[in-house]
Amino acid sequence: AQSVTQLDSHVSVSEGTPVLLRCNYSSSYSPSLFWYVQHPNKGLQLLLKYTSAATLVKGINGFEAEFKKSETSFHLTKPSAHMSDAAEYFCVVTLDGNQFYFGTGTSLTVIP
Amino acid sequence: DAGVIQSPRHEVTEMGQEVTLRCKPISGHNSLFWYRQTMMRGLELLIYFNNNVPIDDSGMPEDRFSAKMPNASFSTLKIQPSEPRDSAVYFCASSLAGLSTDTQYFGPGTRLTVL
Repeated sequence: AQSVTQLDSHVSVSEGTPVLLRCNYSSSYSPSLFWYVQHPNKGLQLLLKYTSAATLVKGINGFEAEFKKSETSFHLTKPSAHMSDAAEYFCVVTLDGNQFYFGTGTSLTVIP
Repeated sequence: DAGVIQSPRHEVTEMGQEVTLRCKPISGHNSLFWYRQTMMRGLELLIYFNNNVPIDDSGMPEDRFSAKMPNASFSTLKIQPSEPRDSAVYFCASSLAGLSTDTQYFGPGTRLTVL
């Protein structure tokens, strides 16, 4: 069973407009949730993570995400896209027992 | 901190040859992960170690793949014999304790091409 679903394989926004990258998870337990970013030819870098503290999590580069248990979602947002935000974004769910699940990724294109 | 170090950064080899990928985790981190990334299958967890012991190798594709962690500062992923379908970017990552709440820190990856 799929534990994490990234609903959009590709998102395209204009520079200066809001970004929304969607992530839904399925878990019977309290998960930890992460967003990682991968720039071309680079390794993955942590943007932010949720580990059962505040449901609204702020990360680097102006990104934030809100954990909504009722919707089993952890969508990533940014008020204003920058050209440097163009990258691949991965939502990750980790469960007790060291189970790690990566989403299939969302490619973000920023149009000048 | 130098971060996670992987070598080589690029490897081109011929089918049937042995390939060894190397990883040095961040000092003090007790968990190490090997991933493979391809366009077709995305990012896949191959194996991870905690305190140098393999915990879960269910992601290792087949017997041609093997991984070792002889000490806390070094790990290898070996493919023998290599096949063209093994062509991918292989990432190593480390985390402090391997807990579900821990951040994983990724290396730059090794791009493997098997001809």
